[in-house]
Amino acid sequence: DSGVTQTPKHLITATGQRVTLRCSPRSGDLSVYWYQQSLDQGLQFLIHYYNGEERAKGNILERFSAQQFPDLHSELNLSSLELGDSALYFCASSSHRAGANVLTFGAGSRLTVL
Amino acid sequence: AQSVAQPEDQVNVAEGNPLTVKCTYSVSGNPYLFWYVQYPNRGLQFLLKYITGDNLVKGSYGFEAEFNKSQTSFHLKKPSALVSDSALYFCAVRDPYNNDMRFGAGTRLTVKP
Repeated sequence: DSGVTQTPKHLITATGQRVTLRCSPRSGDLSVYWYQQSLDQGLQFLIHYYNGEERAKGNILERFSAQQFPDLHSELNLSSLELGDSALYFCASSSHRAGANVLTFGAGSRLTVL
Repeated sequence: AQSVAQPEDQVNVAEGNPLTVKCTYSVSGNPYLFWYVQYPNRGLQFLLKYITGDNLVKGSYGFEAEFNKSQTSFHLKKPSALVSDSALYFCAVRDPYNNDMRFGAGTRLTVKP
């Protein structure tokens, strides 16, 4: 157990629907990162939050949004889902905003859009 | 923006032979470089990192990586591969002044008995 908790582990939904993925970072970590892993595009950086504030944004679609709450957990919201959104979504946490700190990954949430 | 490239989708080696998984990077300043491993149905696990100093970095499970600034490379190595090393390996880079970490596309390592 890495200490980073992601729920749900698996999610099956239909096109056009909206889902929310949740991440609880490791105790004491202030940074949360979201990544999307698909077969054809590897591990894509989506967004980074530090202590409730957005710090960096990657290849995140406008249909996707995220936030980090005061208790430091984070949610990734995916709306108007398309077949191509089917992927593994990983959350990772670290203690600091930047630098050489190691990211600790959760086990991921597997989203299947039918 | 920083980026990494892993030129090989797949690396196959025989058990007991040395292995190398290649990674090259692009970053504006001095890089922080990382290797992670992903086993089936698991999240990524940290193996090792380079910050500064000795160009040869030792990590978990007998892995090491060599930083080469002139070639902008950070290849992962192990002197003697095990079947249990079979997994997906990711190289990652962070610009010291940026807040995100960028990963390569991954290299699938298969070690055959």
